[in-house]
Amino acid sequence: QVQLQESGPGLVKPSQTLSLTCTVSGASIGSGSYYWNWIRQPAGKGLEWIGRMYVSGTTNYNPPLKSRVTISVDTSKNQFSLRVDSVTAADTAVYYCARVPSDFDAFDIWGQGTMVTVS
Amino acid sequence: DIQMTQSPSSVSASVGDRVTITCQASEDIGSWLAWYQHKPGSAPKLLIFTASSLHSGVPARFSGSGSGTDFTLTISGLQPEDFATYFCQQGISFPFTFGPGTKVDIK
Repeated sequence: QVQLQESGPGLVKPSQTLSLTCTVSGASIGSGSYYWNWIRQPAGKGLEWIGRMYVSGTTNYNPPLKSRVTISVDTSKNQFSLRVDSVTAADTAVYYCARVPSDFDAFDIWGQGTMVTVS
Repeated sequence: DIQMTQSPSSVSASVGDRVTITCQASEDIGSWLAWYQHKPGSAPKLLIFTASSLHSGVPARFSGSGSGTDFTLTISGLQPEDFATYFCQQGISFPFTFGPGTKVDIK
């Protein structure tokens, strides 16, 4: 059974960098066939797709966030990570990691989410 | 960006009821539409992909239909475990976007 689990600081100061990790169990990130994504949801608002990465290193980002966001993969640890630079209160949200099979564009496995507050 | 809207924003229903939720895209997305179920504190679950394909392990009381800009999720025979928020998502173009969600609660 494939599971994703987010981890990282729950509190980040304004102007600093938010860093989260998603640990994948039950599947190998390095095996290909999947895109690894980050999504967030501010309180009381809808879901916002942040971006995705393929194991080859190919990335796609949501344009409003592109200048501040980096998604990377560590196949040796079976993890992928999110970095958001220069955070503000607007980056306060529940952050989810999720997987998309390469043959259909839907998120088939999600993590439970982790709350990050910028304050 | 493609905007996704849903209606209703909430619905009160009883066990056994048939519930229908609609999702509309701001432009033609073909069949690149997915539906998810989300309960507080839990990981969202994929129900339907490519508008009408039932994801593995999802009960057959869930069904999806539609194409182009208008889509529907139907729950036939609501069960106690189905009380949750449901949202749609388009997967035809970047950035992927989501509907605001429909909360299904107990009447």
